[in-house]
Amino acid sequence: ELQLVESGGGVVQPGGSLRLSCAASGFAFSNDWVHWVRQAPGEGLVWVARISTDGSFTSYADSVKGRFTISRDNAKNTLYLQMNSLRVDDTAMYYCAFFGAQWLDSTWGQGTLVTVS
Amino acid sequence: DVVMTQSPLSLPVTLGQPASISCRSSQSLVFSDGNTYLHWFHQRPGQSPRRLIYRVSYRDSGVPDRFSGSGSGTDFTLRISRVEAEDVGIYYCMQGTHWFYTFGQGTKLEIK
Repeated sequence: ELQLVESGGGVVQPGGSLRLSCAASGFAFSNDWVHWVRQAPGEGLVWVARISTDGSFTSYADSVKGRFTISRDNAKNTLYLQMNSLRVDDTAMYYCAFFGAQWLDSTWGQGTLVTVS
Repeated sequence: DVVMTQSPLSLPVTLGQPASISCRSSQSLVFSDGNTYLHWFHQRPGQSPRRLIYRVSYRDSGVPDRFSGSGSGTDFTLRISRVEAEDVGIYYCMQGTHWFYTFGQGTKLEIK
C-alpha cells in the first residue's frame, strides 16, 4: 500500500526553525517527484515546494523562497522540508504528496501541523 | 501564476439531486505534451485531500461513477449525477500544467 507519513510539526516562535519529514513506503520513492502542500486553518490548499527524483531540481512558492529548503534521501525513502525564519502566516497543516508520472497517481500524507506563535 | 476561479463557492444540494462546479483558469492548461493537467480534489473536515478526477475527465481508482469531469483549454466542470451524504465537503480544482501549481478557492458542498 502506498503510504506517506509526515512528522516534525509543532509550535515554534516567530523567527524559529522546524524540519518536517515525510516517510514513504509502498512505491518506488526514488522514481517520483514529491511535493509539499500546505493549508492554513480554515483556508484553501497552497503548493509550497517540489523536488525532482534525484533532488537536483527544486521549486518553491514565492512566499517561502529563501526560507524553506526541500530535500530528499532516496536511500531512506524520506522527504524533508527545512523551514527557517518562520512567520505567523506559515501556520498551517503541511502535507507531503506524490502524483507519479503525468499525474497518474495521487497519494497524500495525513499532514503535520505547524503553529508559529 | 495561473489563477483558478471556481464557482459557486457554496453549493447547497438536495440528496439525490445533481450538482455542478465550474473551474476557469487564467490561461490554457494544455501542456507541451498535449495533455491537460487539470484535476479535481475532495476534502472532508479533518482529512487530507483525495483526488477524484485527473487530467480533466479520468476518474481515480475507487471513485464512484456519479462523479465526472469535462472541459478543455481554460473551462472545466465537475459534475455529480446524484449527490449522496458522503459527498459533503470542499471541492478544489487544481492545475499541474504551469509551475507554480495552483488550486481554486474551493467549493463547499452541503446538503440542504
